[in-house]
Amino acid sequence: EDQVTQSPEALRLQEGESSSLNCSYTVSGLRGLFWYRQDPGKGPEFLFTLYSAGEEKEKERLKATLTKKESFLHITAPKPEDSATYLCAVQKETSGSRLTFGEGTQLTVNP
Amino acid sequence: EADIYQTPRYLVIGTGKKITLECSQTMGHDKMYWYQQDPGMELHLIHYSYGVNSTEKGDLSSESTVSRIRTEHFPLTLESARPSHTSQYLCASSTYGVGEQYFGPGTRLTVT
Repeated sequence: EDQVTQSPEALRLQEGESSSLNCSYTVSGLRGLFWYRQDPGKGPEFLFTLYSAGEEKEKERLKATLTKKESFLHITAPKPEDSATYLCAVQKETSGSRLTFGEGTQLTVNP
Repeated sequence: EADIYQTPRYLVIGTGKKITLECSQTMGHDKMYWYQQDPGMELHLIHYSYGVNSTEKGDLSSESTVSRIRTEHFPLTLESARPSHTSQYLCASSTYGVGEQYFGPGTRLTVT
């Protein structure tokens, strides 16, 4: 059965304290892995797409990496405005464009 | 500006009422989706469409129905709302082929 598991469920950081979020997946035939940011009461905001193991993408303080079993979202020197829930989703080769989401990691960055 | 819109943003309605949640996108995307999300939980796909007159049920069983008469418009209808339908409903769209989905702001539905 396809599974997407994110850890930790919640993470509290001090401003400037770098850390990583994990997304583990068991999917046969991965087509792509997606990272989203979701603020309370809003729709998810697209961040990155990763297609193959070894690929990396960066955007400001965020860097996403992909292996054959998991993806990491590295946050360097976070700021309070980085506080949000970060969602990981996978797309299978046999599922068209449909996505399967993990439960997310709720990140809080304290000033 | 290309975007995806959902109305209403918030809806409180009594049991048994018929409701339609609206979703429109101006990005020219062929594919559109409806997700349901409870607080603190993952998104579950309930409906999707790959083009006009094409609709499919998603991974999570839902009593709602959808239609796709125009490319840019993908409304979701509940014929008789129940308290178990209380949730956040998110609409998304994507281009043909492999690509990221772009989400609307969501509709928070409460059925009393």
